[in-house]
Amino acid sequence: DQQVKQNSPSLSVQEGRISILNCDYTNSMFDYFLWYKKYPAEGPTFLISISSIKDKNEDGRFTVFLNKSAKHLSLHIVPSQPGDSAVYFCAASGWGGSEKLVFGKGTKLTVNP
Amino acid sequence: DGGITQSPKYLFRKEGQNVTLSCEQNLNHDAMYWYRQDPGQGLRLIYYSQIVNDFQKGDIAEGYSVSREKKESFPLTVTSAQKNPTAFYLCASSIALTGTTYEQYFGPGTRLTVT
Repeated sequence: DQQVKQNSPSLSVQEGRISILNCDYTNSMFDYFLWYKKYPAEGPTFLISISSIKDKNEDGRFTVFLNKSAKHLSLHIVPSQPGDSAVYFCAASGWGGSEKLVFGKGTKLTVNP
Repeated sequence: DGGITQSPKYLFRKEGQNVTLSCEQNLNHDAMYWYRQDPGQGLRLIYYSQIVNDFQKGDIAEGYSVSREKKESFPLTVTSAQKNPTAFYLCASSIALTGTTYEQYFGPGTRLTVT
């Protein structure tokens, strides 16, 4: 049973436009969410995170939004650049004892010049 | 430079042989993790360790074994009992203490091919 779902396997956007990557979760005990970026044959790189006490966290071109009632989070990249082309993984963890991260299957983002 | 080292980058083995993947970190992190990634799949947790001499099974531990004799090192052995060992293996570490939030930092991965 997938607790973290990324329903879009791929996304293609034009350079300079906004990229929106979505993630849904089912476990209401999750309270910390992370986005990782991964290039082929490399380890994932931490991008941005958000805790459940917030609904938005911003870091430069990257903003993560959290909608707890809908159990949904999204990553916005503005403006998108060709170097952003990678697979993006959403991950979630629980508070107070759940050390494990649960990952989604990833969304492959392609930013076209 | 602090980071996580995995070696080798590519590893080839014959079916029926055990193989050990190396993972070393100099970040002074307490927790270490092993994941497996298959094409079109997310990262699946194999084993994790919060402190030296202690480790826990993840979601897909069957056919794997680990040890944590030193804080810096968390080797993974893929045994002949693992039915589908060919995969991309990722090691990660974090300052993971119960009740805190944290990020996991990943190594570059090892591509294991078993024929």
